[in-house]
Amino acid sequence: EAQVTQNPRYLITVTGKKLTVTCSQNMNHEYMSWYRQDPGLGLRQIYYSMNVEVTDKGDVPEGYKVSRKEKRNFPLILESPSPNQTSLYFCASTPFYGASGSYEQFFGPGTRLTVL
Amino acid sequence: GDSVTQMEGPVTLSEEAFLTINCTYTATGYPSLFWYVQYPGEGLQLLLKATKADDKGSNKGFEATYRKETTSFHLEKGSVQVSDSAVYFCALRGPLSNFGNEKLTFGTGTRLTIIP
Repeated sequence: EAQVTQNPRYLITVTGKKLTVTCSQNMNHEYMSWYRQDPGLGLRQIYYSMNVEVTDKGDVPEGYKVSRKEKRNFPLILESPSPNQTSLYFCASTPFYGASGSYEQFFGPGTRLTVL
Repeated sequence: GDSVTQMEGPVTLSEEAFLTINCTYTATGYPSLFWYVQYPGEGLQLLLKATKADDKGSNKGFEATYRKETTSFHLEKGSVQVSDSAVYFCALRGPLSNFGNEKLTFGTGTRLTIIP
């Protein structure tokens, strides 16, 4: 089954304790991305990756890191989490079609993070 | 920059009622437009899309028409069911996005509840 998986699904942690949220896709997609979802703000892009070893900042990258060492995996790293990073996080992937735009992005089930 | 303005919720309707969720956008050129649906506890799923002016996207009884003249992409369904209860997001992918960034710009989401 084609899917994007995320782990963990739920996480409660404390300020300053490093954590990693994993994301994996089994569709051989080049492009992967992280979003955070907050009430009244919709989804905002944190980081994206066009392919292995190619990553760049989205709209709200502060406090986050990513890596893309393998095509299927795109972990999100919070080196020193703070309460304002309490949010619902989604990973997404798609084949890279460049300028065509006529594609579907596949989303993971989400990770609900609470930072105390 | 690109932006999406979506009808504020929550919206509560009786089963078999007619549904409209308004969505307007601001973007340079001709973006691709999408409606995503998020069922409780799940990730986002593509509901329908339209990639050029006057295109009509449709799926599961939902429809939306890409109106360039009014920069709108309103979601409609003639007869809603309890199973349509979810959060609906309007989104766009701009044609002049940063090269390689397949970013979606989302509206804030509309929570729809259908009562029997």
